[in-house]
Amino acid sequence: DGGITQSPKYLFRKEGQNVTLSCEQNLNHDAMYWYRQDPGQGLRLIYYSQIVNDFQKGDIAEGYSVSREKKESFPLTVTSAQKNPTAFYLCASSRAGPQHFGDGTRLSIL
Amino acid sequence: GENVEQHPSTLSVQEGDSAVIKCTYSDSASNYFPWYKQELGKRPQLIIDIRSNVGEKKDQRIAVTLNKTAKHFSLHITETQPEDSAVYFCAAPPNAGGTSYGKLTFGQGTILTVHP
Repeated sequence: DGGITQSPKYLFRKEGQNVTLSCEQNLNHDAMYWYRQDPGQGLRLIYYSQIVNDFQKGDIAEGYSVSREKKESFPLTVTSAQKNPTAFYLCASSRAGPQHFGDGTRLSIL
Repeated sequence: GENVEQHPSTLSVQEGDSAVIKCTYSDSASNYFPWYKQELGKRPQLIIDIRSNVGEKKDQRIAVTLNKTAKHFSLHITETQPEDSAVYFCAAPPNAGGTSYGKLTFGQGTILTVHP
């Protein structure tokens, strides 16, 4: 959906480095989500936020952090504590309706 | 929490045949079941969804059926075309919580290949 923008499309991380993935939406959606997708697997929930200044851990939150200072933005930081960060990361949003996804960020380790 | 199992993991059909993908869920209170299609390297896109107050929903060549008693729901694609080739995911809410929308638990995905 054109209303959810993820950047960058590709990202490379060095050992010991934190990186931040951006997710912006202009759909006026209240809820936002971050998923991780590995080859041959479904989408696994990392963090989600239903309102500004509030967020909850998903199923695989260890090694990740988020913030929700604005309704439009829900950045995800992949910290050095995440030992296997190589994956496709998807952001989604919803408002009393089904989730809509961004185009994703592919993160790799140098 | 919700456990969603999806089968088969891969499905290969000839163009024009039908394809059926099945998902089972564990939380009997779940009340909303979407299906997403994801083409290679692209975002998942909602193709159809169903709420628990109906047993079937159709949209052209795509249909979803729901069996609440058995706790499973299925995606049916008729007259398949090569452009239907993609990964399909089912999903269900991890708990009903009185709302149809919000956090979802996804199935593992089915790779559908339609041969011309």
